[in-house]
Amino acid sequence: GAVVSQHPSRVICKSGTSVKIECRSLDFQATTMFWYRQFPKQSLMLMATSNEGSKATYEQGVEKDKFLINHASLTLSTLTVTSAHPEDSSFYICSATTGEYEKLLFGSGTQLSVL
Amino acid sequence: ILNVEQSPQSLHVQEGDSTNFTCSFPSSNFYALHWYRWETAKSPEALFVMTLNGDEKKKGRISATLNTKEGYSYLYIKGSQPEDSATYLCAFGPSNTGKLIFGQGTTLQVKP
Repeated sequence: GAVVSQHPSRVICKSGTSVKIECRSLDFQATTMFWYRQFPKQSLMLMATSNEGSKATYEQGVEKDKFLINHASLTLSTLTVTSAHPEDSSFYICSATTGEYEKLLFGSGTQLSVL
Repeated sequence: ILNVEQSPQSLHVQEGDSTNFTCSFPSSNFYALHWYRWETAKSPEALFVMTLNGDEKKKGRISATLNTKEGYSYLYIKGSQPEDSATYLCAFGPSNTGKLIFGQGTTLQVKP
């Protein structure tokens, strides 16, 4: 069945390095993908919306040059945290849809820890 | 700022107990209300999507109601089982763009 596969599930990196998180749609084509972030004891917060083949739309307060989103195909979107700093340590999760927004599928998330 | 509130934050019940949670959301610009069940290390699993005031949906022992005029939704679990232990998220959709505003979740622990 249709699922969203997200990798890696956990990553630890040094401050200043870049980290790429992948989100793949399996058995369906994701026209739109959403990237969320969750800090401890807070709710999932939408970072950006990406549509296949076009530039991502970022939510207010999210630095587009720091969080690079690429959605080059209908089955893959990537989030790259550039020059990561400890304050970027968070849980990142993607969701995907074919365009029917009532049917959103989520990945299992990535816990990023920046030392 | 659009805000979604869930209560209680956490809940511990005995197996067999029935329980319910509340989700409060803005009553204006409503498009949809989503409920998800999220187990640790897994993907959030969609339970219900409700769009009409007065909607009631049921899936096994779990049901949900929606009041868009006053901005709240209830999730009910009848006869809780240990496998119901999870965090239950509600998410408010103010438009048909797929963007969701999430509550902080209610974490349910069912003791055998």
